[in-house]
Order: sequence, then C-alpha cells, then structure tokens
Amino acid sequence: NAGVMQNPRHLVRRRGQEARLRCSPMKGHSHVYWYRQLPEEGLKFMVYLQKENIIDESGMPKERFSAEFPKEGPSILRIQQVVRGDSAAYFCASSPSTGVAAKNIQYFGAGTRLSVL
Amino acid sequence: AQSVTQLDSQVPVFEEAPVELRCNYSSSVSVYLFWYVQYPNQGLQLLLKYLSGSTLVESINGFEAEFNKSQTSFHLRKPSVHISDTAEYFCAVTPFGAQKLVFGQGTRLTINP
Repeated sequence: NAGVMQNPRHLVRRRGQEARLRCSPMKGHSHVYWYRQLPEEGLKFMVYLQKENIIDESGMPKERFSAEFPKEGPSILRIQQVVRGDSAAYFCASSPSTGVAAKNIQYFGAGTRLSVL
Repeated sequence: AQSVTQLDSQVPVFEEAPVELRCNYSSSVSVYLFWYVQYPNQGLQLLLKYLSGSTLVESINGFEAEFNKSQTSFHLRKPSVHISDTAEYFCAVTPFGAQKLVFGQGTRLTINP
C-alpha cells in the first residue's frame, strides 16, 4: 500500500512564475490536507479538501494560492506569480474517510521543497 | 483557537542517556495529541498519539508520552537514546471535531556519541 505521494520533490521557480505541486493520497483516503513549513519553523495548516470540495481554507493566503482535489487525479496546490517568501517545504497529508478517530490521524508525504530565485 | 509550545528548540544529549522533549498546549476544547518525527530531508512520520484511554502512550521504538490534562502537557520521553533518534520532533494537537493539526515549532534532538 503506497504512502502519500508528492511530486516533484524539489521545484525551482523564478519570481513571477507559477508553481504546481501535486499530491496523491494513500489508497482509500478521501481527505487531503496541505501544510507549509517555512525555514526553522513548524508546519502551518493551509487547506483541507475532500473530493471536489474545499472544506477549510482558513490557512491559505488570500491571493495567488489555490488548491483543488478533483474527482479523478491528484490534489494540486497552485501558487501563481511566486515570490521569494513562498520558498518553503509544502507537505501534503491524507486521512481515511471513516471513523472519527481514524479521520484525525494524518499520514504525510515527503514534501515538495520550493525554491524561488 | 489552539496553540502548541515546544519549550526547547534544540536538545543535545549523549548516546544512551535519557531525554525528555517538552510540549504544552492551549485549547478551550478537548483535543487529540500527537508526536511526529521528521528525519533530515524527509516528511513527517507519526510517532505516537493520544486519542483516549490510558494517558501513557508508547511507540514501537521506545518513546513514550504522557497526557497531563491539568498541566496541558504531552511531554515525550525515552530512557536511552540512540544515534538513529537524531531528528526533529513535532508536537501537534487537533481539537475534537476538527480536521487540521496545529503544530509546535519543533525540537531538534541531536545525539552525540
């Protein structure tokens, strides 16, 4: 049973370009979460999605950031017109859809490290 | 809202010595508690969790943590560390009924031979 898959592992963009980060949840998981880890800091929640729905986007910056989790395919975190301050590690996590306790256990991918030049 | 404080940003210890990584949280509602470990250039792995029941929880590699509701703490301990325990450790909480994890700032555990 493959874990949470994120790609690419490393992404380099110049200021003003777009960054697209992909996340495939564990098999059988229908809940996806995105977190951002800035250098020397802990992880900060960005957004929580279920298939075709954004459930909680309270941690998403108001501009340039968007996320989706379509019916088919991976979840995508999209950052438009990147700036140097977007340089960070972006982690995706997933959890199963049944069971109150199970839903609170999140399994993390290896992350995408975004560098903005 | 919830917050998590990890009091030590770095903890250096000698191999085979005991270690305690401290975690305190603040929340107006009940929470589930977690410790995650992050090895260099890797993602987070769940180390142990407290959902309900016994307040002392253990991991398969010798770590344990005790939930203390009155002190709002969930400190992580290991009686004898190994070089392979070198990593960053994150304490996290999620309130009942919510789906997002709130993380502490992390504690970098360094094991010296």
